[in-house]
Amino acid sequence: GQQLNQSPQSMFIQEGEDVSMNCTSSSIFNTWLWYKQDPGEGPVLLIALYKAGELTSNGRLTAQFGTTRKDSFLNISASIPSDVGIYFCAGQLRNFGAGKSTFGDGTTLTVKP
Amino acid sequence: DVKVTQSSRYLVKRTGEKVFLECVQDMDHENMFWYRQDPGLGLRLIYFSYDVKMKEKGDIPEGYSVSREKKERFSLILESASTNQTSMYLCASRLGNTGELFFGEGSRLTVL
Repeated sequence: GQQLNQSPQSMFIQEGEDVSMNCTSSSIFNTWLWYKQDPGEGPVLLIALYKAGELTSNGRLTAQFGTTRKDSFLNISASIPSDVGIYFCAGQLRNFGAGKSTFGDGTTLTVKP
Repeated sequence: DVKVTQSSRYLVKRTGEKVFLECVQDMDHENMFWYRQDPGLGLRLIYFSYDVKMKEKGDIPEGYSVSREKKERFSLILESASTNQTSMYLCASRLGNTGELFFGEGSRLTVL
């Protein structure tokens, strides 16, 4: 199946620092999604991107859909302790397999107060 | 508020037992999915369903089956549980092909 490479695998940062993570694929997607999973919960959608080159913000979060359609990144500015969790990217081809999503392996974020 | 409910948060079963994991969504979504989550491996798709009584294999269907008799309910079945099926299982639903998945809280299964 399709593979997504998500990096970094984990990050340990100080409160107030900015965070950057990315996903790359060997094949193209026409939708990129970023999810966050809090401990003991299911993932929740943060940002959805539907067009190559699209740059979208949601509060302190900014995500971009790469122009090649094979990558995406997520930035978190001025991190706070509640940003702790696992962040997943997901790529999707809307007309393939009822639009199933392929997930990256996740980035585990730890924020030190 | 959208809601995906998984019947059991924690289960402990013995090798060889039959295991049912139930998932119900209240959003009238056509598509429902079962994922397995293991550390460092992300979310891997086991099965999905795009309509009642319809099912398709995902990336890791071996050892699992599913049932979708009603639109709101999607069940994952382990016919004979094995220790390598110890994992977190996540159910999700989606309306059409919009991309956004709504997840349940997960069911952590331990097979002894």
